[in-house]
Amino acid sequence: EAGVTQFPSHSVIEKGQTVTLRCDPISGHDNLYWYRRVMGKEIKFLLHFVKESKQDESGMPNNRFLAERTGGTYSTLKVQPAELEDSGVYFCASSQSARGWVGANVLTFGAGSRLTVL
Amino acid sequence: QKEVEQNSGPLSVPEGAIASLNCTYSDRGSQSFFWYRQYSGKSPELIMFIYSNGDKEDGRFTAQLNKASQYVSLLIRDSQPSDSATYLCAVNLRYKLSFGAGTTVTVRA
Repeated sequence: EAGVTQFPSHSVIEKGQTVTLRCDPISGHDNLYWYRRVMGKEIKFLLHFVKESKQDESGMPNNRFLAERTGGTYSTLKVQPAELEDSGVYFCASSQSARGWVGANVLTFGAGSRLTVL
Repeated sequence: QKEVEQNSGPLSVPEGAIASLNCTYSDRGSQSFFWYRQYSGKSPELIMFIYSNGDKEDGRFTAQLNKASQYVSLLIRDSQPSDSATYLCAVNLRYKLSFGAGTTVTVRA
């Protein structure tokens, strides 16, 4: 079974430019999450899709970030325009639909996309 | 107050010893608790999760949960050099994981 795939693995852009990160979840996983880790800080939740719907986007920093999941398969996270503080590692994770107890929701993570904004 | 706090590292243990990792959380409504291991530049990988008070063992790993004290720990017995990594504590609240900053463990051969 293929895992969670993220692309690109590393992106270096200038301040003010646009970057789009892509995540392919494990096939059949309805839940898709984006997380971010900035240097020296803990991994922080950005948002949660259930299929193509945004379930929770409370962690999105501001309106420069736009996430989509068309058709409920892969997802993209666009940062436009990028700022210096957006640098970090962006992780995508997916999980199956939890049948019954939500606490059994086990996430599988991708390797992350490292974003460097100069 | 941070949602999840882990004991500060780095933690250095000799090969064969027990590594003890601690984590506290702030939200009493948290439902399940996860330990992930992350090697440098790699994805976090799940070691185990626990949701009932007490101990849960899986091979050389034991997770302990005390909901009254809002405390969860991970013991690594017979530590091996391959256990050297950053260990992340994560707490599940309503489908969302909150992470601690991680504890870096180095096992000395």
